[in-house]
Amino acid sequence: AQKITQTQPGMFVQEKEAVTLDCTYDTSDPSYGLFWYKQPSSGEMIFLIYQGSYDQQNATEGRYSLNFQKARKSANLVISASQLGDSAMYFCAMREEKGGGNKLTFGTGTQLKVEL
Amino acid sequence: SAVISQKPSRDICQRGTSLTIQCQVDSQVTMMFWYRQQPGQSLTLIATANQGSEATYESGFVIDKFPISRPNLTFSTLTVSNMSPEDSSIYLCSVETQGTTDTQYFGPGTRLTVL
Repeated sequence: AQKITQTQPGMFVQEKEAVTLDCTYDTSDPSYGLFWYKQPSSGEMIFLIYQGSYDQQNATEGRYSLNFQKARKSANLVISASQLGDSAMYFCAMREEKGGGNKLTFGTGTQLKVEL
Repeated sequence: SAVISQKPSRDICQRGTSLTIQCQVDSQVTMMFWYRQQPGQSLTLIATANQGSEATYESGFVIDKFPISRPNLTFSTLTVSNMSPEDSSIYLCSVETQGTTDTQYFGPGTRLTVL
């Protein structure tokens, strides 16, 4: 089974609107971390936000928030007030404490396009 | 976070040759990682490089093809040996910063094209 699943290969959003990028994960490890990264066309990977498996609150970082639903094993990224500069590929990733060491496992990504 | 640089940023190479990619960090870090991103694909971990020990390779990657050095806590190199067009990818190094989240931060990547 895929450890990280991103079912939206591409998404479009109007500027200033909010958008949700889906991510589901699969692990039997009780301790894990979930990450979102942004990859512009330049190729760099930019860290956006982190959610720990034991965190009670959903993570937020500026316009980014993570909708963490542990029982459903989902960790969706919400971008509020979209900007043209948000157009990029977005990757969800997981780090398992026991089974994966320090390794990050990535999903296949979602290409986001912000339109005027 | 950490500031990470990679050299070269991009290169075009002939098949059968080798290329060494450098990764420099502005602070001492224990764990460094090398990833490959083939065109249109996600990131795949090649190996984990800890200072003072041999790199640990993931399934499907071997030391003869991707030798790695880690001479100190701020520097690592990845060599792509005997290249073929299938090696055309973005190669990224990352470092893990110790803390409550153990986040990995990435370098800008090396975009490699093999002809």
